[in-house]
Amino acid sequence: DSGVTQTPKHLITATGQRVTLRCSPRSGDLSVYWYQQSLDQGLQFLIQYYNGEERAKGNILERFSAQQFPDLHSELNLSSLELGDSALYFCASSPGQANTEAFFGQGTRLTVV
Amino acid sequence: DQQVKQNSPSLSVQEGRISILNCDYTNSMFDYFLWYKKYPAEGPTFLISISSIKDKNEDGRFTVFLNKSAKHLSLHIVPSQPGDSAVYFCAASEEMEEKLTFGTGTRLTIIP
Repeated sequence: DSGVTQTPKHLITATGQRVTLRCSPRSGDLSVYWYQQSLDQGLQFLIQYYNGEERAKGNILERFSAQQFPDLHSELNLSSLELGDSALYFCASSPGQANTEAFFGQGTRLTVV
Repeated sequence: DQQVKQNSPSLSVQEGRISILNCDYTNSMFDYFLWYKKYPAEGPTFLISISSIKDKNEDGRFTVFLNKSAKHLSLHIVPSQPGDSAVYFCAASEEMEEKLTFGTGTRLTIIP
C-alpha cells in the first residue's frame, strides 16, 4: 500500500459526459501528480500541484482540469468525454516538488462507451 | 515523439538467471533516470534511480547502468526471482524537480 488513495477504482461513462477522479496523497506529501496511461502506452504526465498551486503542466487537454484543495487532496475533472479518453489515470504524491521517487496510487480505470 | 523508448514489449527469463531490461532516450537534456515496477491492478512502484553524473547504481539485486554517449540505460536483475514478474517502466527527467517522461514498459516474466 503506497498510502496514495484514488477513487473510484473503476468508472464507466458515456461519451460527452463529465467525470471527477479523486486522489488523497500520502500524509505529509505536498505535491500531487496526475498521469494518464492509455492502452500500450507509457504514463503521460498531465499536471502537478504543489501545496495548492499548479506547478507543472504536461500533455493535458483543455477538456481536462485539476485542482488541489487546502486539505491537499486533488481532483481531476474530465469533460466532454471521448472514446479515446478511456485509460488508466494515476495519481502520485511526493513530499516536496521533486517528482522523482513519487508514490503512486492504484489508479482509476476510466471506460468511455 | 517518444523521447523514452523501451523497444522490447516483453521478456522471459529463467529463474536464477540475469534479467536485462533496456531503455533508450533521445533528449540529451535528460539527466535523471528512474526505473519503476508495476504489478497488475497496482500503481507503479519506484525501484532504482541514477543521475547523469554516475554510470552505475546498485541496490541489492538491482543495478542500473547509464551510457550517456549512447543515450542508453539498462536495468539488471540478478538473480531473477518469480516475484520480479511485472511490467518495468523507465523514466527520465531534465532535473529532479521536472516532469517525468516514461517509456511504454517491458513485461518481464520469470519462468520457474
